[in-house]
Amino acid sequence: GDSVTQMEGPVTLSEEAFLTINCTYTATGYPSLFWYVQYPGEGLQLLLKATKADDKGSNKGFEATYRKETTSFHLEKGSVQVSDSAVYFCALHGGSQGNLIFGKGTKLSVKP
Amino acid sequence: DVKVTQSSRYLVKRTGEKVFLECVQDMDHENMFWYRQDPGLGLRLIYFSYDVKMKEKGDIPEGYSVSREKKERFSLILESASTNQTSMYLCASSSGGQGRTDTQYFGPGTRLTVL
Repeated sequence: GDSVTQMEGPVTLSEEAFLTINCTYTATGYPSLFWYVQYPGEGLQLLLKATKADDKGSNKGFEATYRKETTSFHLEKGSVQVSDSAVYFCALHGGSQGNLIFGKGTKLSVKP
Repeated sequence: DVKVTQSSRYLVKRTGEKVFLECVQDMDHENMFWYRQDPGLGLRLIYFSYDVKMKEKGDIPEGYSVSREKKERFSLILESASTNQTSMYLCASSSGGQGRTDTQYFGPGTRLTVL
């Protein structure tokens, strides 16, 4: 069945460092892909999404490109801030019931 | 802005109790979802609903039931709470109806502890 695999955390970076969180997927067809973020004590919020191959989603300095050939949707940010500390979830729209399927989440901690 | 609210942020119950978790959304969304979130396991779908009075099982429905009597409200019911149901419960909603998944909007979560 459809699935999402993202790099295990926790990831600890210094402020202004470059961030990459890897996400790969297995799916039939061409699902929409999402990154959600969960700040401490809160629910999930959509960070960005891409609906077709080669689309780039971007928001708040984060970017991810839908790569069909490598079945990947890696999240990147050029210069992280302390306020980016959160758990990041990669997800795809797919599965037998057409719902969102989430990765296990990657916890990011950014130190000043 | 879409708002999804959950009735409690923290809840402590005893084994065997019947537990109700309530979720309300204010954007007239057709779809509503209940997930549980556990460390190392990510989010797992318990139940979802594409319309009033309809429900579909997700990946881990055992031990849970749901109710959707009104479009804006989706309730998760633990018929007889057990310690392995201690978890964070997240409700979400989206527009689009069955087979379509637009962006899901999440509530703040209810952290349930079963003693």
